[in-house]
Amino acid sequence: GESVGLHLPTLSVQEGDNSIINCAYSNSASDYFIWYKQESGKGPQFIIDIRSNMDKRQGQRVTVLLNKTVKHLSLQIAATQPGDSAVYFCAETQTGANNLFFGTGTRLTVIP
Amino acid sequence: DAGITQSPRHKVTETGTPVTLRCHQTENHRYMYWYRQDPGHGLRLIHYSYGVKDTDKGEVSDGYSVSRSKTEDFLLTLESATSSQTSVYFCAINTGFNEQFFGPGTRLTVL
Repeated sequence: GESVGLHLPTLSVQEGDNSIINCAYSNSASDYFIWYKQESGKGPQFIIDIRSNMDKRQGQRVTVLLNKTVKHLSLQIAATQPGDSAVYFCAETQTGANNLFFGTGTRLTVIP
Repeated sequence: DAGITQSPRHKVTETGTPVTLRCHQTENHRYMYWYRQDPGHGLRLIHYSYGVKDTDKGEVSDGYSVSRSKTEDFLLTLESATSSQTSVYFCAINTGFNEQFFGPGTRLTVL
């Protein structure tokens, strides 16, 4: 598999704690946002998405919050597990566009 | 991996040589994408395709060309590789509203 040794912001959490990963997006016209997880040696994996008409969306152990006023996204992971260790990216786009614009990512390390 | 494979998975080549990377999907999705991933830049779109023989440029298309003669295959070509094209290349497909699924990646090193 493939990955890159990115010089990224990092977050270290204890197993069982909650994690919060933040992302500032750039385009105020963006109306659709996605969080991806990239494990070492693999391609990015879709986690959860949110549209701009929502402030919050929940999945299984994950919650995404959107603050359009300050152009900020966050991904909350409940009861973080060692398998959650990865690089997390946010991506933004506009309805009808064919391109996703990705942030540079945050590396999450879970301490057993 | 949503039925996406990439080949080769690793390649080392010399400056000035042509290189072709292949992306293959098994699910007949219309949209396919090529991205490169570099430290400090995240993922950036090179080219994308919205159907057989229908392609368009992305954010970093200079030095790259693509072809799609069949729904299942999307080829990325570096006509004359340069060291700045050393990167990890990911193919992706769109299975719904902007929901992209990615292949395992190809690590390309240009010496």
